[in-house]
Amino acid sequence: DGGITQSPKYLFRKEGQNVTLSCEQNLNHDAMYWYRQDPGQGLRLIYYSQIVNDFQKGDIAEGYSVSREKKESFPLTVTSAQKNPTAFYLCASSPRLAGGWNEQFFGPGTRLTVL
Amino acid sequence: AQSVSQHNHHVILSEAASLELGCNYSYGGTVNLFWYVQYPGQHLQLLLKYFSGDPLVKGIKGFEAEFIKSKFSFNLRKPSVQWSDTAEYFCAVNARQAGTALIFGKGTTLSVSS
Repeated sequence: DGGITQSPKYLFRKEGQNVTLSCEQNLNHDAMYWYRQDPGQGLRLIYYSQIVNDFQKGDIAEGYSVSREKKESFPLTVTSAQKNPTAFYLCASSPRLAGGWNEQFFGPGTRLTVL
Repeated sequence: AQSVSQHNHHVILSEAASLELGCNYSYGGTVNLFWYVQYPGQHLQLLLKYFSGDPLVKGIKGFEAEFIKSKFSFNLRKPSVQWSDTAEYFCAVNARQAGTALIFGKGTTLSVSS
């Protein structure tokens, strides 16, 4: 099946620890994205990448880091510098079609709780 | 900077009632417009999208949306809701140029009672 996988579904960490969230896609999409979803806040863009070895900050990049070493993978690290890391994290990807970037396809999400 | 505004935070309807969820965006250029839905416990999925052409677009499950350029609006409608439409709905927009990410509204929670 083609799609986006995120693991784990639930993640618990102690305050002060870095944690890495996994995102893999087998859709052969060029672009990948990380969003954070909080109640009443919608989805806010953390980082995105249009091509391997390149990525751009989104609206709320502080306290996060990413890498894009392979087309199919875009892991997100939540560092200890992120002041309020407990949230639901969504990964997405999109193909690049004529006329610009197309719709985004979303993974199932990872719920991170920092204790 | 682009922004998306969804007018209603929480809408409560009875089955068979009509639905209209408001969405306005701010951006002066050409945009792509989307409505996504998140059913309880499920992935965020695309309901419908507008890129160009007929401003009235039809999506899955009987939903439709109308793009009114002069009002910068892309309201979602359904003539008769069902209990299974209970979900959170997100409007999103991106500028029609390569390399721009989606900007999402804050979402509207729809609760349908049977």
